[in-house]
Amino acid sequence: DVKVTQSSRYLVKRTGEKVFLECVQDMDHENMFWYRQDPGLGLRLIYFSYDVKMKEKGDIPEGYSVSREKKERFSLILESASTNQTSMYLCASSLLWTGRAHYGYTFGSGTRLTVV
Amino acid sequence: AQTVTQSQPEMSVQEAETVTLSCTYDTSESDYYLFWYKQPPSRQMILVIRQEAYKQQNATENRFSVNFQKAAKSFSLKISDSQLGDAAMYFCAYRSTLQGAQKLVFGQGTRLTINP
Repeated sequence: DVKVTQSSRYLVKRTGEKVFLECVQDMDHENMFWYRQDPGLGLRLIYFSYDVKMKEKGDIPEGYSVSREKKERFSLILESASTNQTSMYLCASSLLWTGRAHYGYTFGSGTRLTVV
Repeated sequence: AQTVTQSQPEMSVQEAETVTLSCTYDTSESDYYLFWYKQPPSRQMILVIRQEAYKQQNATENRFSVNFQKAAKSFSLKISDSQLGDAAMYFCAYRSTLQGAQKLVFGQGTRLTINP
C-alpha cells in the first residue's frame, strides 16, 4: 500500500531546541509538501519541494527550513523551536502537476509537536 | 493570491439526515480545481470529491455531492444519509491550473458531528 510516513506521531521539545520532522514517501512522487494545521486557521503551507534539492517557500516559512537530499525524503527543520510553533504538522506528496492534469495529494498521519 | 473561506467552524446533524457544508473562494482565474477533504480522528486526510471549474456539472460521489456556483465562487458539500463514520474535520481546497502551480490552498475547516 502506497503511503507517506511521518517519523513521529507525537513530539515534545524544549524552547530553543533544533527539531527535525521527517517525512518519507514510497510512491516516487516529485512533489512533497509541509503544512501546518491549527484550529480555526486550517492548513497553511510552510514549504514545498518539486525535486531533489529544490524548495520553495509557502505562506508561512518564517522560523522553518527544509531539506530534500533524496527524492523520497523531505525534512522540516525548526532551527530554534519556540512555543508558537506548537502545532500539528502534515506532510504530503504528489506527482508533478502539469496544467490540467491533476494528481491527488497523499498525506501522512501528522506529527503533533508541543514546544515547552 | 487565492483564498478559501469556510465560515462554519462546527456543524452537527442527526444520523441519516442531510447536511451541507459551505465554502467560498476568491480567485481571478477561470480554470481551477476545487476539492473537499475529510480528516477523521485518525488524522489521515482523505479526498472526498473533486470539481473541475470548466465542468458545469456538479460532481457526485455516492452520498457526497457538491453545489458548484462558479459566478458566486461558492462550492458547498452536501452529505446525504449521514453516517457516524462521516464525523470528521472537512476542508475545502483550491488548486490553480496555471503553469508551475503545484500547491493546494485550504480553508479553515468545518468540524462535523453526527448525532446518533
